[in-house]
Amino acid sequence: NAGVMQNPRHLVRRRGQEARLRCSPMKGHSHVYWYRQLPEEGLKFMVYLQKENIIDESGMPKERFSAEFPKEGPSILRIQQVVRGDSAAYFCASSPSDTDTQYFGPGTRLTVL
Amino acid sequence: GQSLEQPSEVTAVEGAIVQINCTYQTSGFYGLSWYQQHDGGAPTFLSYNALDGLEETGRFSSFLSRSDSYGYLLLQELQMKDSASYFCAVQGGKLIFGQGTELSVKP
Repeated sequence: NAGVMQNPRHLVRRRGQEARLRCSPMKGHSHVYWYRQLPEEGLKFMVYLQKENIIDESGMPKERFSAEFPKEGPSILRIQQVVRGDSAAYFCASSPSDTDTQYFGPGTRLTVL
Repeated sequence: GQSLEQPSEVTAVEGAIVQINCTYQTSGFYGLSWYQQHDGGAPTFLSYNALDGLEETGRFSSFLSRSDSYGYLLLQELQMKDSASYFCAVQGGKLIFGQGTELSVKP
């Protein structure tokens, strides 16, 4: 059973460009979570999705950030008009339910030049 | 608000026992999880406590007291490879993480 997959592993963007981060959950997991980690800090919750639904987006910045988890295909975290402060590691996790253990992917390291 | 407190760093020697404490303030509490992270890599699940008491998994044990909003991770027979960051996290749908404890294991 493959683990949580994320791509790309590293992404470099210039200020003002768009970043798209992809996450494929573990087989059988329908709950997906996105977290952001700045250097030397803990992980901060961004958004929680089930298939085709956003359950909790209380950690998402109000502008430029969006997430989706379509019926088919991976979950996408989209950052429009990136700024240097968006540089961070973005981790995706999945679980079979909202009370079960979350398993993390390897992360996408976003660098904004 | 929701917050978790854990020590920022701990140092111990190989073969020793170390305890990493975590206190939390939160709503919507299902349980307390512990994750290990090496050099910014994928956080790896270690242990989960939904009920009061001790959970043991090999060299690692985790304890929870819901009445005290307190838990700890106990690492026994420390090995060099245990040098990593350890995070406690409150589970309530989403995970709310502490800032992490940097564990350094010395020879």
